[in-house]
Amino acid sequence: EAGVTQFPSHSVIEKGQTVTLRCDPISGHDNLYWYRRVMGKEIKFLLHFVKESKQDESGMPNNRFLAERTGGTYSTLKVQPAELEDSGVYFCASSQGTGVNSPLHFGNGTRLTVT
Amino acid sequence: SQQGEEDPQALSIQEGENATMNCSYKTSINNLQWYRQNSGRGLVHLILIRSNEREKHSGRLRVTLDTSKKSSSLLITASRAADTASYFCATGDLTGTASKLTFGTGTRLQVTL
Repeated sequence: EAGVTQFPSHSVIEKGQTVTLRCDPISGHDNLYWYRRVMGKEIKFLLHFVKESKQDESGMPNNRFLAERTGGTYSTLKVQPAELEDSGVYFCASSQGTGVNSPLHFGNGTRLTVT
Repeated sequence: SQQGEEDPQALSIQEGENATMNCSYKTSINNLQWYRQNSGRGLVHLILIRSNEREKHSGRLRVTLDTSKKSSSLLITASRAADTASYFCATGDLTGTASKLTFGTGTRLQVTL
C-alpha cells in the first residue's frame, strides 16, 4: 500500500507570503494528524481530523494556520501570512484508529523555511 | 522541562554493541510508543507498550516501562549501521484527547562499522 505522502518536500518563502502544504493519507485511514518540529525542538501536535471533521485543533498556534480536509481524503495546511518562527518540518500522519491505541503512519514531512 | 524527554541526546556506538535510550515523562499515560526517524524521512512506529505492561519485545528491540518512575527505556541489541537514526518516545496521555501524542526531542543514534 502507498504510504502517507506530503507535498512539497521543501518550501522556501519570504515572510508575509502564503504557503499551502498537502498531505495524502493512507487510503482508508479516517484519522489524519498534523505535527510540526521547529528548530530541533520536540515534535508538537497541531491538529487531528476524523474524516472531514476537526476532532482536536488545540495545537494550532494561531489563526494564521488553516487546515482543511474536504471530502475526508487529502488535507491541506495553509499558513497565511508566514512568519519567521513558522520555519520547521511539518509532518502529516494517518491511522485507522485513534492515535492512543493505533500507531501513526508518518509522511516524510515538508521542510518549510521562512526568510 | 518537556513531557517525553529522551536521554542521552546523542549516542555513538560500534556495530554489534547494544544501544540503550531512556525516556521520562510527567503525566499519567495510556501508553508509550517509540518511533524511529531516518534523516530526511518520516517517523516509523517501532513499538507500543501499554501502561499496564512492564516489558515488550520486538525482534532486536526491548522496551521497558516503569510507571512509578514515569520512565521507559528502549534497548536495541546487536546494533547495525542501518539502525543509525533518531529515536523518539511518544506518550498517549489519559488527560485531554486520545488523539494527541506528545513527543520528546529524540536521541540521535550513530552506529559505526
